[in-house]
Amino acid sequence: DGGITQSPKYLFRKEGQNVTLSCEQNLNHDAMYWYRQDPGQGLRLIYYSQIVNDFQKGDIAEGYSVSREKKESFPLTVTSAQKNPTAFYLCASNLGTANTEAFFGQGTRLTVV
Amino acid sequence: QKEVEQNSGPLSVPEGAIASLNCTYSDRGSQSFFWYRQYSGKSPELIMSIYSNGDKEDGRFTAQLNKASQYVSLLIRDSQPSDSATYLCAVRGSGNTGKLIFGQGTTLQVKP
Repeated sequence: DGGITQSPKYLFRKEGQNVTLSCEQNLNHDAMYWYRQDPGQGLRLIYYSQIVNDFQKGDIAEGYSVSREKKESFPLTVTSAQKNPTAFYLCASNLGTANTEAFFGQGTRLTVV
Repeated sequence: QKEVEQNSGPLSVPEGAIASLNCTYSDRGSQSFFWYRQYSGKSPELIMSIYSNGDKEDGRFTAQLNKASQYVSLLIRDSQPSDSATYLCAVRGSGNTGKLIFGQGTTLQVKP
């Protein structure tokens, strides 16, 4: 089945640690996105990538890093510089052209302990 | 000014009524517009997409787009309690950046 897989579903991080969230898609989509969602809030764009080896900062990129070495993979690292990382993280992908819909993974809930 | 704005609600309607959800956007060159539904703790799922001015209907859902006024709306007819969720408006910006921006979402409550 084609789709977007995020792992893990739940992740706990100690303060000062870096953690990496995985996002893999087998939809042959060119564009991939990472969003953060806080309770009762909408989705805020962290990073997005339209092509392999290229990505752009979204509205809240500080404290995060990404890579796009393969078309199907777009991992997000939450660094220790991100002071309030507890949130629900969502990965999405689409064909990257106009008039194409984005589809989401099931999300990763990150909690700082 | 936020790029995509929605009234956070909650919007409360009785079962069987029409629910009307609105969204405005700032980038006049925006090309593609989407409505997603999100249940608590779950990821968003696509309900409707609309790319040209006018109405687009799919079952109980109708999306309306007015590019001149920079707004897009979603009508849900015969609202059901199962429609209770947060509805997210998403807009793809102009140019080739591919940036997909979401509003803060409107919480809909359909009361039996």
